[in-house]
Amino acid sequence: SYVLAQPPSVSVAPGKTASITCGGDNLGSISVHWYQQKPGQAPVLVIYYDDDRPSGISRRFSGSNSGSTATLTISRVEAGDEADYYCQVWDTSSDQAVFGGGTKLTVL
Amino acid sequence: QVQLQESGPGLVKPSQTLSLTCTVSGGSISSGSHYWSWIRQPAGKGLEWIGRIYGTGSTNHNPSLKSRVTISVDTSKNQLSLNMSSVTAADTAVYYCARLPYSGYAFDYWGQGTLVTVSS
Repeated sequence: SYVLAQPPSVSVAPGKTASITCGGDNLGSISVHWYQQKPGQAPVLVIYYDDDRPSGISRRFSGSNSGSTATLTISRVEAGDEADYYCQVWDTSSDQAVFGGGTKLTVL
Repeated sequence: QVQLQESGPGLVKPSQTLSLTCTVSGGSISSGSHYWSWIRQPAGKGLEWIGRIYGTGSTNHNPSLKSRVTISVDTSKNQLSLNMSSVTAADTAVYYCARLPYSGYAFDYWGQGTLVTVSS
């Protein structure tokens, strides 16, 4: 089945920009969704269809997808952004959801 | 506002069947607008999709779990259920139910999750 690769961890200073990548074969040809998960909580959808934001999600969250890499960008990072972030696609060949392994964002 | 709430035994013995229910409020499970999914997460690990069901009852599952998993809906109670047979310690995880738009592929609403431990 389709495989998504994420770096295990990313660190960023407050006020800076964090970029979290998600890699997959020809990923740019399919839609990527991103979830934020804080400790002890359920995941929350923060970006869908590569670059759309659900209602209520800060404009500081943005996404892009091209080639073999999708990127979640968080601008002006705050302490409250510290969380695990997961990318997800729908593998239409096997008709199943596939998640990346997750990236832990640490705010220094 | 749609809300999902998982419920079920927190402890299941090895080789037995894990049974969970997800109660949906704020929307009809049979509206035809959404799929309903189960997703799990072992402690300290990532998310694993288990399967999904449409309000009519049509389903599809993660191939790695398919033979052990049954997902069903009870439209009269606005609930979906998960049964997973022959469980082992590897099935210990937090189990989430989540909503998936019929024409989309992103999970837009999630339950809070319920921890299931497989142990004798």
